[in-house]
Order: sequence, then structure tokens, then C-alpha cells
Amino acid sequence: AQKITQTQPGMFVQEKEAVTLDCTYDTSDPSYGLFWYKQPSSGEMIFLIYQGSYDQQNATEGRYSLNFQKARKSANLVISASQLGDSAMYFCAMREGPDGNNRKLIWGLGTSLAVNP
Amino acid sequence: GAVVSQHPSRVICKSGTSVKIECRSLDFQATTMFWYRQFPKQSLMLMATSNEGSKATYEQGVEKDKFLINHASLTLSTLTVTSAHPEDSSFYICSAPHYLNTEAFFGQGTRLTVV
Repeated sequence: AQKITQTQPGMFVQEKEAVTLDCTYDTSDPSYGLFWYKQPSSGEMIFLIYQGSYDQQNATEGRYSLNFQKARKSANLVISASQLGDSAMYFCAMREGPDGNNRKLIWGLGTSLAVNP
Repeated sequence: GAVVSQHPSRVICKSGTSVKIECRSLDFQATTMFWYRQFPKQSLMLMATSNEGSKATYEQGVEKDKFLINHASLTLSTLTVTSAHPEDSSFYICSAPHYLNTEAFFGQGTRLTVV
């Protein structure tokens, strides 16, 4: 069974609008962390945002926010005021276990976002 | 922020030769390094986990004799693709976790083409 599910292979958004990229996860571990990364066509992986399972508030980083719904096991990424430079692949990932361990990340299949001018 | 430097960024090699890819942590000590392979428009596929001073742990289906991983120091991990063939052509990228594992620092990636 997939532990990280991104159900949107491709998304389109109009410049300056907000967009939500979906991510659901599955784990029985009470401690875990959730990540979002952006990968432009150049291939580099750009860290966007992190949410710990015990964090009380949703994580925010500039135009990025993570809509963390623990009971539903979802960790959707919200990008506000989309820019042309936001066009890229977006990956959701999960680390099982508490902060500080060196466990591998489990990756979703990604969502390709295209921002239209 | 922490930086992982990966070289080379692109390499073209002849079938049957070996290629070494290096990942260096520039301002922190990376006790663990993850090595990924990525095909076009696909997700990252973990190949192996290297830990400084010990043998790498390979994921199921990854040939350890073909993809040699060495983590000889806290700042350098290498992946050597031995006897490369065209099917080994891919994007390879390394990653070291932040000490709290609340972020993973990635190298720039290596695009390998075997002709």
C-alpha cells in the first residue's frame, strides 16, 4: 500500500491565484514528519515546508502553507498568489519516527504544476 | 543554510566504463547520505543509504556490485556506477538529512548518459 498518495498528476493555475496540491499519508507511527519539495526542470530539489506530527499549528513559509489535517491523514500544500516561477513538480514526503532519526523519506509520485500567465 | 555539493552535474560515458559521482557536505557533517535515482517525470527512487564508516544499505532490487557506494568521511559520499550500460542512464541525486531530520539537503543532481 502506498504510504504517500498524491492524486493529482497535473494541475493548472492562473497566475496570482491560489492552488492546493493534495497529499495523503498512511502510517501507524505516532511520530512522523511531512515534507514538501519543489523540483523545477533543472532537477534541483527545493525544500518548501515541514510539518511535524505533534506540531499544533499548520506550518507556513512565505507563500507556502501546509493544511495539516491529522485525523484525515492529509497534508495539502497551499501556494498563494501563484507566480510563473512556481511551475514545477511538487513532491510530498514523509519520515516515520521522531525528529532526529536518520530514517529515509517516503516519497509521493508528485504533482506537476503549471502556472498560466 | 547547509549545502550538499554534487559533481559532476552531467556526464556522458561509453558503455562498459565506470562513473563516479561525489556528494560533499560543505558546512556540516553528514553521517547519513541517501542516494536516489529518478527517471523522467517520475518520483525519486531510493537506491541506498550510506552511513559514514559502515557498509551501505541497499534497497531491494538494487545491485550492490553495480552501484558501489562509499562513505569514507563525514563530508564525502560517492556513488560509482560500474560497467555502465545505456539502461543506467538516469538522473542521480544525493541527500543528507538535517540533524533533526526536519529537512533533507540535496545535491544538485547528476544527469548520466551512457552511450
